[in-house]
Amino acid sequence: DAGVIQSPRHEVTEMGQEVTLRCKPISGHDYLFWYRQTMMRGLELLIYFNNNVPIDDSGMPEDRFSAKMPNASFSTLKIQPSEPRDSAVYFCASSFSRGTGNTIYFGEGSWLTVV
Amino acid sequence: AQKVTQAQTEISVVEKEDVTLDCVYETRDTTYYLFWYKQPPSGELVFLIRRNSFDEQNEISGRYSWNFQKSTSSFNFTITASQVVDSAVYFCALSEDNYGQNFVFGPGTRLSVLP
Repeated sequence: DAGVIQSPRHEVTEMGQEVTLRCKPISGHDYLFWYRQTMMRGLELLIYFNNNVPIDDSGMPEDRFSAKMPNASFSTLKIQPSEPRDSAVYFCASSFSRGTGNTIYFGEGSWLTVV
Repeated sequence: AQKVTQAQTEISVVEKEDVTLDCVYETRDTTYYLFWYKQPPSGELVFLIRRNSFDEQNEISGRYSWNFQKSTSSFNFTITASQVVDSAVYFCALSEDNYGQNFVFGPGTRLSVLP
C-alpha cells in the first residue's frame, strides 16, 4: 500500500515567494495532519483535518500560513509570503479513526529552505 | 497537560552493543497511547510501535524490545546487538485520544551506532 505522499521533497525559494506543499494521505484515512520540524522546536502540529474539515489550526504560526483539503485524497499547505524563519521540514501525516485509529503515519517530509 | 521526556539527547554505541532509549511520560488520563518513531538520516518518520495504557506486556520485535511500566510512567526502547543501520533519531510520543490529534512528541534521542 502506498504511504503518505508529499511533494516537493526539497524546495529552495527566495524570501517573499509563495510556497505550496502538497500531500496525498493514505487511502481511507480520515485524519490528516501537517507538522513542522525544526531543530529549535522539534515536531510541532500546525493543523489537522477530519473528513476534509479543518478541526484545529491553533498551531499555524501566523496568517501567512494556510492549509486546505479540497477532497479526501489531497491537501496543501501554503506559505505566502515566505520568510527565512519558515525554513524547516514539513511533514504531512494521516490516520484512520478505527482500529489502531490513532497511529499517525508520516510522509517523507518536504524540506523547505527560504533564502 | 501531557508531556514526554527523553532525557538522553545523544547516545553513541559500538556495533553489536545493546542500547536502551529512555522515555518518561506525564498524563492525567487513565487511557492513553504510547508510540515510538524512528527518523533515519534520510529524514522520514517511521512508525515502530503503538501501546495502549491497558497493555503493559513487553513487546519484542526482532532486535527491538519495549518495556512499558506504568508504575514509573516509562516506555523504554531497547535495541539488542545494534547495527549501523539503527543510527537515527528516535522519538517517543504520547496520545491521550483515539484519533491522533493530541499527539505529543518527545525531543528525540539521536543514536549513533559506530562500526
